[in-house]
Amino acid sequence: EAGVTQFPSHSVIEKGQTVTLRCDPISGHDNLYWYRRVMGKEIKFLLHFVKESKQDESGMPNNRFLAERTGGTYSTLKVQPAELEDSGVYFCASSQAAGAWEQYFGPGTRLTVT
Amino acid sequence: LAKTTQPISMDSYEGQEVNITCSHNNIATNDYITWYQQFPSQGPRFIIQGYKTKVTNEVASLFIPADRKSSTLSLPRVSLSDTAVYYCLVGDGPGNTGKLIFGQGTTLQVKP
Repeated sequence: EAGVTQFPSHSVIEKGQTVTLRCDPISGHDNLYWYRRVMGKEIKFLLHFVKESKQDESGMPNNRFLAERTGGTYSTLKVQPAELEDSGVYFCASSQAAGAWEQYFGPGTRLTVT
Repeated sequence: LAKTTQPISMDSYEGQEVNITCSHNNIATNDYITWYQQFPSQGPRFIIQGYKTKVTNEVASLFIPADRKSSTLSLPRVSLSDTAVYYCLVGDGPGNTGKLIFGQGTTLQVKP
């Protein structure tokens, strides 16, 4: 069974540009989460989808970030316009049950904003 | 969620047993202790969870004393591939939001 996949693995963009990150969760996992780690900081929760609905988006830093999960399958996280402080690694995770301690993480997308 | 404290880094050599201790003095009655492992360039991976006493699986053992104010993750006979960051998480569950809260973790470096 395939794990959580993320695309791209790396992205380098200039300040002010737009970037879209994609996450494909494990098949059958209704719960999808986004996290990120910016340089020197801890991994922080961004938001949680249950199927196509946002269950909790309390960790989204500002309105430059837009997450979608149309159809309840894959999810995208768009940053527009990107700022220097958005650089970091963005992780996606999925789980079968909501509130699960065991979440399956993807390898992450390393975003560099120059 | 209970605040956790763990060493920032540890060094070990191949073949040794490694014990990483996590302090959680304010652990609540309903809280569980969960450990994640993160290899370089990968996302975190759930490795073990416990409530009290001892839990063992194919990856590690988790020792929890009676007062539950600390816990120790034990890795038997480490190899170079065990080099990773190990996170201790304590709480009664991510809840419906699924929000895992990671601390800084312990960076384990295994040397040949």
